[in-house]
Amino acid sequence: EDKVVQSPLSLVVHEGDTVTLNCSYEVTNFRSLLWYKQEKKAPTFLFMLTSSGIEKKSGRLSSILDKKELFSILNITATQTGDSAVYLCASYSGGGADGLTFGKGTHLIIQP
Amino acid sequence: DAGVIQSPRHEVTEMGQEVTLRCKPISGHNSLFWYRQTMMRGLELLIYFNNNVPIDDSGMPEDRFSAKMPNASFSTLKIQPSEPRDSAVYFCASTLDGISSYEQYFGPGTRLTVT
Repeated sequence: EDKVVQSPLSLVVHEGDTVTLNCSYEVTNFRSLLWYKQEKKAPTFLFMLTSSGIEKKSGRLSSILDKKELFSILNITATQTGDSAVYLCASYSGGGADGLTFGKGTHLIIQP
Repeated sequence: DAGVIQSPRHEVTEMGQEVTLRCKPISGHNSLFWYRQTMMRGLELLIYFNNNVPIDDSGMPEDRFSAKMPNASFSTLKIQPSEPRDSAVYFCASTLDGISSYEQYFGPGTRLTVT
């Protein structure tokens, strides 16, 4: 059974700190890894990673995938209170509803 | 664009009742996804449609769950009969190019409570 594990489960930091969120996966026929940000309502898409070692950036957020060690990290620099959310990672192994497996998320709280 | 629209936003019902959740995807998107989110199991993909056709419903938990997409602008997820363990937030999402297009746009969700 495909498995995605995120750590930590929750994290509380001060505004301005840098955080690193972890996502490891055990997936057959792995194709891509996705990161989402979920605030009070629905998840919003952040990144899709397919190739190892290539960093994707969007403002203060960046992410990278290591297909050899089967993990991804999401970095947030100079955190702001608006970064407070649950960050979800998901693996895609291709084909059908079984293809997407989500982790349980990291609940990030940024204190002013 | 109004984004993905879901209704109702909240529903509380008694065990054994039929529940119907509704979703209107973003206009022009040709794929629609139904998810369920709980604390215990996280976010799970239940079923997805491409061009109104169910591609794979193997994520649907059991026969009590059914989903339809009669046209490109409307989908329903039905639970009959409902059980307390169905309590969750149900999300609908849509995207343009099928499951290979990962920028899925999620609706606000329907919070279902079955007592």
